Amino acid sequence: EDQVTQSPEALRLQEGESSSLNCSYTVSGLRGLFWYRQDPGKGPEFLFTLYSAGEEKEKERLKATLTKKESFLHITAPKPEDSATYLCASSGATNKLIFGTGTLLAVQP
Amino acid sequence: ETGVTQTPRHLVMGMTNKKSLKCEQHLGHNAMYWYKQSAKKPLELMFVYSLEERVENNSVPSRFSPECPNSSHLFLHLHTLQPEDSALYLCASSQSRVRTEAFFGQGTRLTVV
Repeated sequence: EDQVTQSPEALRLQEGESSSLNCSYTVSGLRGLFWYRQDPGKGPEFLFTLYSAGEEKEKERLKATLTKKESFLHITAPKPEDSATYLCASSGATNKLIFGTGTLLAVQP
Repeated sequence: ETGVTQTPRHLVMGMTNKKSLKCEQHLGHNAMYWYKQSAKKPLELMFVYSLEERVENNSVPSRFSPECPNSSHLFLHLHTLQPEDSALYLCASSQSRVRTEAFFGQGTRLTVV
């Protein structure tokens, strides 16, 4: 059964304190690994798609990486506006997006 | 602003009411989805439409009834809901059923009283 597990559930950082969020996945025939950002009461906002192990993508202070079992979202020198829930999802042979429960990130000034 | 628009943003309904959620996408996508998001749970896929044809129904109770009149519009008709149906309902679209990079609307916060 396809599955996505995110850790930690919650993370509190000081402004400027870099860290990483983890997404472990098991999926038959990976077609894509997706990262989203979700602010309270809003829909998920698309960030990245990764297709194969070794691939990396960057956007401002965020960098996503992918291995055969995990993906990491690295946050460099975060700012308070980076506070949000970050969701990871995988898509495989069933063409279904399987989501994790997310990591709630709080960045304090 | 996203290319997927949902209305209303908030809805309170009694258990005997009938209401509808509306979703419109301006991205030229061919696949549309309804998801349910409850606290502390992963997003749950409810329905999938590809080229206006329903291709998936994930064991959703019949009190939820989807409709897709064309590739840009998606509705979720609600009737005789239960309090446990209170959640954030999200619409999404993707280029195709196979290209699952999905773009989401802002959601409808539904409260059943």
